[in-house]
Amino acid sequence: GDSVTQMEGPVTLSEEAFLTINCTYTATGYPSLFWYVQYPGEGLQLLLKATKADDKGSNKGFEATYRKETTSFHLEKGSVQVSDSAVYFCALTPSSGGYSTLTFGKGTMLLVSP
Amino acid sequence: DAGITQSPRYKITETGRQVTLMCHQTWSHSYMFWYRQDLGHGLRLIYYSAAADITDKGEVPDGYVVSRSKTENFPLTLESATRSQTSVYFCASSPGAGGLQETQYFGPGTRLLVL
Repeated sequence: GDSVTQMEGPVTLSEEAFLTINCTYTATGYPSLFWYVQYPGEGLQLLLKATKADDKGSNKGFEATYRKETTSFHLEKGSVQVSDSAVYFCALTPSSGGYSTLTFGKGTMLLVSP
Repeated sequence: DAGITQSPRYKITETGRQVTLMCHQTWSHSYMFWYRQDLGHGLRLIYYSAAADITDKGEVPDGYVVSRSKTENFPLTLESATRSQTSVYFCASSPGAGGLQETQYFGPGTRLLVL
C-alpha cells in the first residue's frame, strides 16, 4: 500500500540556519503531496501542497518540490526562526479517482534555538 | 466561532468504561475524520465519513464506533476503553468536493488517558 517515510528527528538548528526535512513516498500513479505542521499543543494545519510532478509548493518561507523521479517531497527553508519549532508531517493522497484519505509519515520534530 | 472544535480536551477514564469524544465543525464540510496520534506511529486514520449517515473504516477501527446523524457532528465512541487506546485524538474535516487536493482542517485534539 501507499506509504510515506520521513527523516527521524528531532532536528536541532540554530536560528537563521538552513532547514531540510526529507520525505519520500511509495504510491502508484501520481499522488498529491502535502506538508502539515503541528505547533505545540495544537492540531495539524496545512503548510503547503503540490498536486503534480515538478510542482513547487510554498508558504511562510517553506518550499517543497514534487520530484516524481526520486519519489520525494523534501521540505526546505532558507532561514529558520524559533517560532518554526514544531512537528512537521509529510502526507499523500493517492491518484485514484474520487476522494481519497491522507496517508501520513511519522512526523519530524524541529527544534530551533536562539 | 467558526471552525472545528473537540471536547473534552482532556479525559481520564478507566479500563472498560465507555467514552465518547465529540467533534463539531461549522463549515458544513462533507467529510470528517478521526485520527489517533501516537509516538512512533504518526497519525493513523480510525474512521471517516463522507456525509451524514455514511461512514467507513480507516486503518485502525477496532474498538471504536462512530456515527454521523448531522453533517456538523462526528462523535467517536470507545465502547470499552483499553490502555492501548491512550492517545491523542484528532478530528478533521474537508469540503470533499471530489478533487484529490482537498485540504483537511484539524481540531485541537483530545488527550485521552485510560488507566
